[in-house]
Amino acid sequence: DVKVTQSSRYLVKRTGEKVFLECVQDMDHENMFWYRQDPGLGLRLIYFSYDVKMKEKGDIPEGYSVSREKKERFSLILESASTNQTSMYLCASRRLAGVLGNEQFFGPGTRLTVL
Amino acid sequence: GQQLNQSPQSMFIQEGEDVSMNCTSSSIFNTWLWYKQDPGEGPVLLIALYKAGELTSNGRLTAQFGITRKDSFLNISASIPSDVGIYFCVVGANSKLTFGKGITLSVRP
Repeated sequence: DVKVTQSSRYLVKRTGEKVFLECVQDMDHENMFWYRQDPGLGLRLIYFSYDVKMKEKGDIPEGYSVSREKKERFSLILESASTNQTSMYLCASRRLAGVLGNEQFFGPGTRLTVL
Repeated sequence: GQQLNQSPQSMFIQEGEDVSMNCTSSSIFNTWLWYKQDPGEGPVLLIALYKAGELTSNGRLTAQFGITRKDSFLNISASIPSDVGIYFCVVGANSKLTFGKGITLSVRP
């Protein structure tokens, strides 16, 4: 079974702090994704990566950056956390883009609170 | 951007009842998916639809890809308590997924 793990289930940070959210997948998937989930808004794509050292902006990249130095690890960085970044953050991975049947597998999520 | 319409935001049903959820879009999409999110977990794929008019079943779940490629529905038959969760309709385009806002389903025993 595919396993996507996220470094923390719950995180509390202060405004202005630099925050790192880590995601690791164990199935050698090329594609990885970061979403945020807010009540009534569904999941919104922040950034994604087709492969190592590649990154693409999603629908709401402002205030975030990412790093993909190794295939299994995709990090989401909040350079200076703000209260409007309080949210549930979900990481996902997928084997290959554009291939029918290649679903995205999600981690359990990190609930981040910025005070 | 692309927008999917899922409503209502919440549904409450009695155990054993059937429930139907609909999802519409103003744009055409060639891939429609239904994901479910259990409380405290990430979403999991339930059913994937790749052909207009396609009807697919997975146990008590049945989903159809609308012939116009602008809508899909998901039916759950004989609901059980573990059906509670958030159901998302999702469309795929340009290797990305776009999620609807989700419907929270509650099942009364």
